[in-house]
Amino acid sequence: EAGVAQSPRYKIIEKRQSVAFWCNPISGHATLYWYQQILGQGPKLLIQFQNNGVVDDSQLPKDRFSAERLKGVDSTLKIQPAKLEDSAVYLCASSLGGTGAQPQHFGDGTRLSIL
Amino acid sequence: DAKTTQPTSMDCAEGRAANLPCNHSTISGNEYVYWYRQIHSQGPQYIIHGLKNNETNEMASLIITEDRKSSTLILPHATLRDTAVYYCIVIKSSGDKLTFGTGTRLAVRP
Repeated sequence: EAGVAQSPRYKIIEKRQSVAFWCNPISGHATLYWYQQILGQGPKLLIQFQNNGVVDDSQLPKDRFSAERLKGVDSTLKIQPAKLEDSAVYLCASSLGGTGAQPQHFGDGTRLSIL
Repeated sequence: DAKTTQPTSMDCAEGRAANLPCNHSTISGNEYVYWYRQIHSQGPQYIIHGLKNNETNEMASLIITEDRKSSTLILPHATLRDTAVYYCIVIKSSGDKLTFGTGTRLAVRP
């Protein structure tokens, strides 16, 4: 079974520029999550999708971050404009149905550096 | 979700069992115990989860105390590749975000 795919693996941009990350979840997984992991900390949820609907985006900085999951499969996360504090690893995870009985599986993330 | 407490760091010898404890004294009856690990430069890797009963899979065993207030992750024969940060997380059965604490940094020594 193929895992969660993310691209790009690394991205370096200057502050105030825009950037987008892509995620392809495990086939058949209805629930998709984006997490942000700042160096030295554990991942923190940004947004959760169930199929193509948003379940939880309470921690997403909506003035600069946006995410979509068209057709309930792939997802993109965008930052515009980027700030220095956005330097982090952005992790995508997916699970079969989003219940506590179904584990989330993570990709290896996109490491974003802001200059 | 219930809060978890783990030791900051542990070490064990290669080939020996690694026993990683986790305290979750405020856990509710409908909350699962999950274990993930994160190896440097990789995303978190799911290891195992349980509700009330002990669980075993190809990676590890999970022992949950009868009162469910604590649990132990057992890696039966640790290898150098098991060196990682291990996270114990409690999550509602209805589903929720994973709340990662600081975890336990396990070092497996040759």
